Amino acid sequence: KAGVTQTPRYLIKTRGQQVTLSCSPISGHRSVSWYQQTPGQGLQFLFEYFSETQRNKGNFPGRFSGRQFSNSRSEMNVSTLELGDSALYLCASSLEGAWDLGEQFFGPGTRLTVL
Amino acid sequence: AQSVTQPDIHITVSEGASLELRCNYSYGATPYLFWYVQSPGQGLQLLLKYFSGDTLVQGIKGFEAEFKRSQSSFNLRKPSVHWSDAAEYFCAVGAGYGGSQGNLIFGKGTKLSVKP
Repeated sequence: KAGVTQTPRYLIKTRGQQVTLSCSPISGHRSVSWYQQTPGQGLQFLFEYFSETQRNKGNFPGRFSGRQFSNSRSEMNVSTLELGDSALYLCASSLEGAWDLGEQFFGPGTRLTVL
Repeated sequence: AQSVTQPDIHITVSEGASLELRCNYSYGATPYLFWYVQSPGQGLQLLLKYFSGDTLVQGIKGFEAEFKRSQSSFNLRKPSVHWSDAAEYFCAVGAGYGGSQGNLIFGKGTKLSVKP
């Protein structure tokens, strides 16, 4: 069974631009969560989507948004990029998003660099 | 608010030596606890998890962890470290009460170096 895939793996943008990252979950998984990983803040939860609906959201500004499609693939978008948005963005999928129903499987991440 | 603390930022152990990585959590209810490992350039891999029941849980790659409610701890152990264990280790707590909660709260991580 294929794992979680994220595209692109690396991305370089300049301040003020916007960016879209993509995540394809494991087949059959309906929950997709996004995390931001930086050296200073560590791993922080961005949001979770389940059946095309945002079910949970972390403490990030509105510049960070996401969506999920009917095939469970998810995208996240960051508008008006800032230098501080440089990070590794990780996507994780799970069957239902509930801990007792299965673990989260993480993708390799997208490394975003903002210049 | 829920939080996870990993007191050790960096630990170096000799190959073959035992390992213990510390994790303390703050959570109001029965926690769902996890240990993940991240190798350079890789995503996170689940080592083990605790939901309920036996407080000593076994994971992959010879790792185990013990849940101690009285100490709010979930320390990771391995009796004999291999060079391939060099990586960064993250402790996490699952927010919510299970069901429709997809977010993990992570500690800042402990980087493990292994001396030959």
